[in-house]
Amino acid sequence: EVQLVESGGGLVKPGGSLRVSCAASGFIFSSNTMNWVRQAPGKGLEWVSTISSSSNYIYYSDSVRGRFTISRDNAKNSLILQMNNLRVEDTAVYYCARDIGVRGSGHDYWGQGTLVTVSS
Amino acid sequence: SFVLTQPPSVSVAPGETATITCGGNNIGTKSVHWYQQRPGQAPVLVIYYDRDRPAGIPERFSGSNSGNMATLTISRVEAGDEADYYCQVWDSFSDHPYVFGTGTKVTVL
Repeated sequence: EVQLVESGGGLVKPGGSLRVSCAASGFIFSSNTMNWVRQAPGKGLEWVSTISSSSNYIYYSDSVRGRFTISRDNAKNSLILQMNNLRVEDTAVYYCARDIGVRGSGHDYWGQGTLVTVSS
Repeated sequence: SFVLTQPPSVSVAPGETATITCGGNNIGTKSVHWYQQRPGQAPVLVIYYDRDRPAGIPERFSGSNSGNMATLTISRVEAGDEADYYCQVWDSFSDHPYVFGTGTKVTVL
């Protein structure tokens, strides 16, 4: 059974940093492109970042580029999002999501999400 | 960046057909995916590559994509279909290639 479990969310002050992780199991992690998607309270889905299976291709939304870094450890079946210089508007539930296969193929499995709150 | 526009809400009676649109410039040239999100839950992929259904998604869910509009159709609507629905595209020519639509709240009357 495919499972994605996020962790690392919490309360952080504006300008602070936080690292959220996603532990993957039930599939060959190194074969799939992975993503982070967020959802602010009461708002719609917002794509944040994508990393290809071998980390050869990495993409960021304009809203996080230069502040967030996506990475993966295929040996540990782990996806990471390092968030720096956090802003109030980064407050959201952060979901880890797997692409069906190649880049752009859609997200067939999602984690339950981890809440990041940026507030003074 | 690519902009996807959805109607904020759609209301439909049980047993009828719900049609959710997703408008974007030449969206017919891109791959469109659709997600269902029930309150308090993570999204679920219901259609990918315009019209393909993942395993476990009922045949009542179908998709199409042409010109400047993609469409998700839910036939024989059930109470359990009440949720938010989001379209998404992959724009391979962009450095921020995934884009979500604004979302549509489907209410079953």
